[in-house]
Amino acid sequence: DIQMTQSPSSLSASVGDSVTITCRASQSIGNSLNWYQQKPGQAPKPLIYAASSLLSGVPLRFSGGGSGTDFTLTISSLEPEDFATYYCQQTYSVSMYTFGQGTHLEVK
Amino acid sequence: QVTLKESGPALVRPTETLTLTCTFSGFSLRRGGVSVNWIRQPPGKALEWLARIDWDGVEFYNRSLMARLTISEDPPNNQVLLKMTYVDPVDTATYFCARELVTTSGTGYFDSWGLGTLVTVSS
Repeated sequence: DIQMTQSPSSLSASVGDSVTITCRASQSIGNSLNWYQQKPGQAPKPLIYAASSLLSGVPLRFSGGGSGTDFTLTISSLEPEDFATYYCQQTYSVSMYTFGQGTHLEVK
Repeated sequence: QVTLKESGPALVRPTETLTLTCTFSGFSLRRGGVSVNWIRQPPGKALEWLARIDWDGVEFYNRSLMARLTISEDPPNNQVLLKMTYVDPVDTATYFCARELVTTSGTGYFDSWGLGTLVTVSS
């Protein structure tokens, strides 16, 4: 099974900061990597698919990059509504999808 | 408008079988490139993918749980069911269903989610 490892597990930042979250796959997954944002009590919301494609309606301060085994989610100039938990997900292995363990982004 | 809604018992006893229903609207599971997935999230923990049924009826399961899971569809009612046998307190979680779209580049992502349903396993 493909394991997805996110770092850091938690992150403290302030409004206006730029932050980067890393997701590493245990084997190459091409660009089959998605990012989701989840707020307490809510379902995850998709942000980015195929490593770097921003979904419609997602603010341009969100960006994704990487391919193969190493991926990043960058949020430039944090807004108050960005404090949440972020998950990466691989859909390369069509028989077994996996999520990262999550990165909790909190207010410093 | 695409919607999905999970339903099922809030409390299940250990060793019983849990049956969850995902009722969806706004799309057809017979459309190529579409699937419905089940995902769960124990309180305060990460998301865990459980199972998927594709537009052509093919099923996929989390290998660590596949002996206990069965996913099926009820097309006339636009529903996807998930059965989990021999539940244990560690199965306590919010269970989500989500639609997956496969993009033109061949990668898939979960574009629409239900609100989730909390299932507690306790005697």
